[in-house]
Amino acid sequence: GAVVSQHPSRVICKSGTSVKIECRSLDFQATTMFWYRQFPKQSLMLMATSNEGSKATYEQGVEKDKFLINHASLTLSTLTVTSAHPEDSSFYICSARPPERGSGTQYFGPGTRLLVL
Amino acid sequence: AQTVTQSQPEMSVQEAETVTLSCTYDTSESNYYLFWYKQPPSRQMILVIRQEAYKQQNATENRFSVNFQKAAKSFSLKISDSQLGDTAMYFCAFIQANAGGTSYGKLTFGQGTILTVHP
Repeated sequence: GAVVSQHPSRVICKSGTSVKIECRSLDFQATTMFWYRQFPKQSLMLMATSNEGSKATYEQGVEKDKFLINHASLTLSTLTVTSAHPEDSSFYICSARPPERGSGTQYFGPGTRLLVL
Repeated sequence: AQTVTQSQPEMSVQEAETVTLSCTYDTSESNYYLFWYKQPPSRQMILVIRQEAYKQQNATENRFSVNFQKAAKSFSLKISDSQLGDTAMYFCAFIQANAGGTSYGKLTFGQGTILTVHP
């Protein structure tokens, strides 16, 4: 099956610092990856769609200058939380969609728990 | 815009029993895909089952099966012979597709149902 990795799994940082989260598709190429944010016992909220070789598409209300997304290759997308603040603490999940599988099935990374002190 | 509704925030079931999770959706599209994803305490999202709207036959995967009612826009998940490892949050999700079966757009999730399986 399709495998997506995410690194780091957990990060604690001080307020004002930047944090980078990596999302990799291990056994398939993904022209499109997605970044979600999830609060405890709630659904996933799509933050942005990451497109290889072009700019990410952000959902309404998501600050593009705060959440920088780079999709530099067909297997790697990164999310950088710039000048992190305690309210950015959350669980961030990435997913990838194999292009040849038309069903739209997305495969998810294991998530990154971010805690900003 | 598409919406997905899961009206059961929490459910519980005894081990070995059967439980059904409800999901309704709203769309004007004729073709689409529906999914059930499971998120156990590890928080890893796992695909449980997938259904294409053009296919009449209900999808099944071992102990998991769906009841897809296209006219009613309903997509419930039945878990038979529940196991402790089925304890998780379950999400129903929807994505649009064209007549050829290729999906497009973004995945829309329901609010989720927390399922607890008791020994």
